[in-house]
Amino acid sequence: DTEVTQTPKHLVMGMTNKKSLKCEQHMGHRAMYWYKQKAKKPPELMFVYSYEKLSINESVPSRFSPECPNSSLLNLHLHALQPEDSALYLCASSSRTGLSNYGYTFGSGTRLTVV
Amino acid sequence: GDSVTQMEGPVTLSEEAFLTINCTYTATGYPSLFWYVQYPGEGLQLLLKATKADDKGSNKGFEATYRKETTSFHLEKGSVQVSDSAVYFCALSDRSGNNDMRFGAGTRLTVKP
Repeated sequence: DTEVTQTPKHLVMGMTNKKSLKCEQHMGHRAMYWYKQKAKKPPELMFVYSYEKLSINESVPSRFSPECPNSSLLNLHLHALQPEDSALYLCASSSRTGLSNYGYTFGSGTRLTVV
Repeated sequence: GDSVTQMEGPVTLSEEAFLTINCTYTATGYPSLFWYVQYPGEGLQLLLKATKADDKGSNKGFEATYRKETTSFHLEKGSVQVSDSAVYFCALSDRSGNNDMRFGAGTRLTVKP
């Protein structure tokens, strides 16, 4: 299995809703990432998990709450979002062995619309 | 901090034309360099990579050479196809810490038949 699977593919939520995005990989990668991508922009790093521990939080508002229950699974819990949070949310994973860098494997993303 | 600058698009070419997308980087250390491609409605796919000076990454007819002296990693393809239409991102990753990826702004390529 060489894929990162993200669900759902599309999500529409109201500003008072609570929802979760899910990301799964079975490649044995021990680093997992959440990125946010607005239209016609590059991905922006949100969170990095390394060996199931949060290692980077790029000053993301608390209405976004990441969780890494195990080495294969990454969640992003959403609560009280704003319309400007509408974007494509991308999950990625990578293999880290010392200085070796094999690049990221990205999922197809969740297209989120906040109404 | 580390950063990537790539040529602004959009780029429009006819089928079988030669493609160059310029990318330069700024880094305090010795980063690994990548090109990713994003097709409409999809996530990013790793296209090619290079991890040290003078390395050439190649895939699907695309090539890029890690030039330390000019801090560049330009993407080239000798003959583009309509199916190459996509957004291309140059990226770097340092070798320490969390290995996080920094992306350029992206270049949209449209290939016309």
